[in-house]
Amino acid sequence: VQLVESGGGVVQPGRSLRLSCAVSGFTFSNYGMHWVRQAPGKGLEWVAIISYDVDNKYYGDSVKGRFTVSRDNSKNTLYLQMNSLRPEDTAVYYCAASTIAAPLGYWGQGTLVTVSS
Amino acid sequence: DIVMTQTPLSLSVTPGQPASISCKSSQSLLHSDGKTYLYWYLQKAGQSPHLLIHEVSSRFSGVPDRFSGSGSGTDFTLKISRVEAEDVGIYYCMQGIHPLTFGGGTKVEIK
Repeated sequence: VQLVESGGGVVQPGRSLRLSCAVSGFTFSNYGMHWVRQAPGKGLEWVAIISYDVDNKYYGDSVKGRFTVSRDNSKNTLYLQMNSLRPEDTAVYYCAASTIAAPLGYWGQGTLVTVSS
Repeated sequence: DIVMTQTPLSLSVTPGQPASISCKSSQSLLHSDGKTYLYWYLQKAGQSPHLLIHEVSSRFSGVPDRFSGSGSGTDFTLKISRVEAEDVGIYYCMQGIHPLTFGGGTKVEIK
């Protein structure tokens, strides 16, 4: 199982960024997927979930209305569109796959997003 | 949202000695389906977290049997029977009733 995030970088406040998570090693279309973030030196914060069939999406309160999670099951790829970025969105963003064992069974290595002017 | 509280914040352990981490939730994690959605993760330095324990007490694939989880309702414990050098890192509990929330983490280091 491999999850590889990309798309992080430095962005100014108010701008947008799109993260991707390429998945291999399991049947992507069968499982829900999550985004989790970790601010520098801080703990873990759940960001969003998308169901296996795209029908259901839920967000944490801190990103609701600004972030959009999506997926392309034909490309085995998960996305996070981040709009109206704020300095407090600065974090390493991890994608994680739901498994039979746990909501966050497998994790990617993370991609760093820095929001700064 | 369910608040998860971990103690202690940090733990310094002699190799071969046991260690114990407590996690308390602000409401019961026993779901109407009969399952209790409490998980433990370990994040080693510079790495992403990985799953150790699911549903309170089941070890994930490949996790050594020196790790064990217990508890019910709102009170849970992760125990390491004999700490090894490779066990250093930050341990997080997480509850699986949406929205998912994590404890603040417990840093385990070797004396």
